[in-house]
Amino acid sequence: QVQLVQSGAELRKPGASVKLSCKASGYTFTSYYIHWVRQAPGQGLEWVGIINPNSGRADYSQTFQGRVTLTRDTSTSTVYMELSSLRSDDAALYFCARGQGARASYYIYWGQGTLVTVSP
Amino acid sequence: QSVLSQPPSASGTPGQRVSISCSGTSSNIGTNTVTWYQQLPGTAPKALIFSNNQPSSGLPDRISGSKSGTSASLAISGLQSEDEGDYYCASWDDSLNGVVFGGGTKLTVL
Repeated sequence: QVQLVQSGAELRKPGASVKLSCKASGYTFTSYYIHWVRQAPGQGLEWVGIINPNSGRADYSQTFQGRVTLTRDTSTSTVYMELSSLRSDDAALYFCARGQGARASYYIYWGQGTLVTVSP
Repeated sequence: QSVLSQPPSASGTPGQRVSISCSGTSSNIGTNTVTWYQQLPGTAPKALIFSNNQPSSGLPDRISGSKSGTSASLAISGLQSEDEGDYYCASWDDSLNGVVFGGGTKLTVL
């Protein structure tokens, strides 16, 4: 069965960086795009970016341009999201999700989420 | 401020029909398909409707989606207590070159 398993909760200080992982299993890793979506406490969903696991090409929300980097390791079927220069408003639950296409907003499979806390 | 506009709340009594709207622009809903999600507290969103009106596997037929122009709508008939939760619409935006979400609608079953 398809699974996306994310890394555990992280605590960082403002200005630091964090790197989250999303390990895929149960399907051909390079056949589906992976999107990242975040949700601040009590807030709505916000799209972060997308990576093509086959080519490694990534695109990002303009909100995060320059601060976020998506990479993948095809040998371990894992996608990574690194967010730098963390601010208090980056504190959120970060989800990875498998997209049904490059321009898709339809995600059937989601990771369980990784909580990022930003505190001095 | 979300790119797609949804009412912050909706409510109904068991058995009633409720509708949740999602308003966008020509660069998102007007051009691309809409997905609807339900999110329960502490869990990842669950896709209900994709491609504007296509039900996800196992979705009861009392839940449906539609789209007209730059707006979309999710309808739930025969409201049940299990329908309580937060509902989000989503679409690709050609101008922003990314996925945009609505701000979410909290559905309460009275």
